[in-house]
Amino acid sequence: QVQLVQSGAEVKKPGASVKISCKASGYTFTNYYLNWVRQAPGQSLEWMGWVNAANGDTGYSLKFQGRVTFNRDTSASTAFMELSRLTSGDTAVYYCARLNAEIRRYDLDYWGQGTLVTVSS
Amino acid sequence: DIVMTQSPLSLPVTPGEPASMSCRSSQSLLHSNGDNYFHWYLQKPGQSPQLLIYLGSNRASGVPDRFSGSGSGTDFTLKLSRVEAEDVGVYYCMQNLQTPNTFGQGTKLEIK
Repeated sequence: QVQLVQSGAEVKKPGASVKISCKASGYTFTNYYLNWVRQAPGQSLEWMGWVNAANGDTGYSLKFQGRVTFNRDTSASTAFMELSRLTSGDTAVYYCARLNAEIRRYDLDYWGQGTLVTVSS
Repeated sequence: DIVMTQSPLSLPVTPGEPASMSCRSSQSLLHSNGDNYFHWYLQKPGQSPQLLIYLGSNRASGVPDRFSGSGSGTDFTLKLSRVEAEDVGVYYCMQNLQTPNTFGQGTKLEIK
């Protein structure tokens, strides 16, 4: 069965960086894109961007461009999201989610369990 | 950016009764291929979002047939024919026709 397992919770100081991993299993990693979505406490969901697991191409929301980096390690079937220059506004649960772009599909069909990032001095 | 507006924000429902919620987008989500790039997700308390409906009206694998999605262009509806206790949570609509992909603010379904 498809699973996305993310790394554990992080506590960071303002100005620091955080790197989160998302390990995929149960499917061919390089056949799908992975998206990153975050959710601040009590808020809705916010899309951050995507990484093509096959070739490493990326697309970022303009809101995060210059501060976020996605990459992947195909040998480990793992995607990574790194966010720099953290502020308290980055405190959120971060999710990876698989984009199903098969015929007549274009949805985020599997999600990781989420990683809580707390930014506090 | 495409703005997704959901209503109502809170939906108290008696078990066994039907429920309906709406999502309106600021731009048409109809792709040239005829599909609406619009989806519904449910986030149960303490859990990650889970896919309910994709491309406007297709139930995801394992989703009970009491859930149905409809609509096209800018106006979409999610209907539950009979609400059960396990359906509580926040329902989000999402568009991925354009980047940035955007979500609605959510409709919180609770049991009366």
